[in-house]
Amino acid sequence: EVQLVQSGAEVKKPGESLKISCKGSGYSFTSYWIGWVRQMPGKGLEWMGIIYPGDSDTRYSPSFQGQVTISADKSISTAYLQWSSLKASDTAMYYCARHNTLYSSSWYEIDYWGQGTLVTVSS
Amino acid sequence: EIVLTQSPATLSLSPGERATLSCGASQSVSSSYLAWYQQKPGLAPRLLIYDASSRATGIPDRFSGSGSGTDFTLTISRLEPEDFAVYYCQQYGSSPVTFGGGTKVEIK
Repeated sequence: EVQLVQSGAEVKKPGESLKISCKGSGYSFTSYWIGWVRQMPGKGLEWMGIIYPGDSDTRYSPSFQGQVTISADKSISTAYLQWSSLKASDTAMYYCARHNTLYSSSWYEIDYWGQGTLVTVSS
Repeated sequence: EIVLTQSPATLSLSPGERATLSCGASQSVSSSYLAWYQQKPGLAPRLLIYDASSRATGIPDRFSGSGSGTDFTLTISRLEPEDFAVYYCQQYGSSPVTFGGGTKVEIK
């Protein structure tokens, strides 16, 4: 059974750093693109970026380029999303999501989602 | 980037009725690489339709997708109580991947 299990909720202060995780199991972690999706309170879904754990090829949405860093450690089947300096506007639910992948160069629809990590940034 | 516009924002219907949700793209979606997701409160989204018209595993046949180019539709033939939720379209034909703003299907 494919599973993406995310780390727990976080409460941080503005300016602090944070790294949240997403552990994949039940499939070949290195063969599928993993994306991150933001959902601000009461709002819609926003695609942030994506990583191919097989070779760490990473792409970002222009809206999130430079704001976050996506990485992966294939030895422990885990993807990460990190911030160096959080802002109050980073308060949101963050989902990791597996994209269907036929070739390492292309990603398709999201077929599995993590349960979400709620990040709250408040002074 | 491709902007997806969903309409209506809210659809008020009764169980048993037909729901028609629209998703318009600012430019043609390559190879009809468009998906639909359902999200219920407090839960992660769930894939319903991919490649514009293919149902995901385990999705009932009352859900159907159609369209190509810049106009796409999700149809729920007869609403069941568990279908009241928010629905999002997503294109993955060009980078960055983008989502529509969502349509909330609520009980009338």
